Amino acid sequence: ETGVTQSPTHLIKTRGQQVTLRCSSQSGHNTVSWYQQALGQGPQFIFQYYREEENGRGNFPPRFSGLQFPNYSSELNVNALELDDSALYLCASSLYAGSGNTIYFGEGSWLTVV
Amino acid sequence: AQSVTQLGSHVSVSEGALVLLRCNYSSSVPPYLFWYVQYPNQGLQLLLKYTSAATLVKGINGFEAEFKKSETSFHLTKPSAHMSDAAEYFCAVTPSAGGTSYGKLTFGQGTILTVHP
Repeated sequence: ETGVTQSPTHLIKTRGQQVTLRCSSQSGHNTVSWYQQALGQGPQFIFQYYREEENGRGNFPPRFSGLQFPNYSSELNVNALELDDSALYLCASSLYAGSGNTIYFGEGSWLTVV
Repeated sequence: AQSVTQLGSHVSVSEGALVLLRCNYSSSVPPYLFWYVQYPNQGLQLLLKYTSAATLVKGINGFEAEFKKSETSFHLTKPSAHMSDAAEYFCAVTPSAGGTSYGKLTFGQGTILTVHP
């Protein structure tokens, strides 16, 4: 039990649609990151939010966007879904103040694009 | 820039045998290193982390890893494998203190561990 919860756990969308995935961080954690894990691959960093501001982005197009709310929960939005967006999306939270803090992952949201 | 290479996408051992999962990293700044385990259809669970204290790090479930700067390695070991260790293991790196890069993990491709009775 990591204290990081994600919803929904599974969903199916049609190509071209939009999707919103949600993450509730561990209590007190002010930093949240999102990762995409395609089948058979390691997770790939999408972006990170710290105190409601984007704090770095991986090699993902602008149709991947996010939000972090005052309570540090977060959303990942993906527009114009493509078949290759099918993956497990993982949310990770940590306390930014002080490097070396443990980074906790949620169970993920499985997205299938058909 | 950072990268992680996990040698061997699949490792198979007998129950009770030594587990050795290899991880080599490349980083332009001093790194912090992590090992995570992923069971089927689940998220990532932290096994252990190196954050520039002791180079030999002990984690959960009897696993440990040694940071070797000269070899740019962070191999994961367990003296005696158990059936419940069967899972996929990921090595990850992030920049250490300084700047705002902490927490942006770069993962290896993963190693699937199979344990035979």
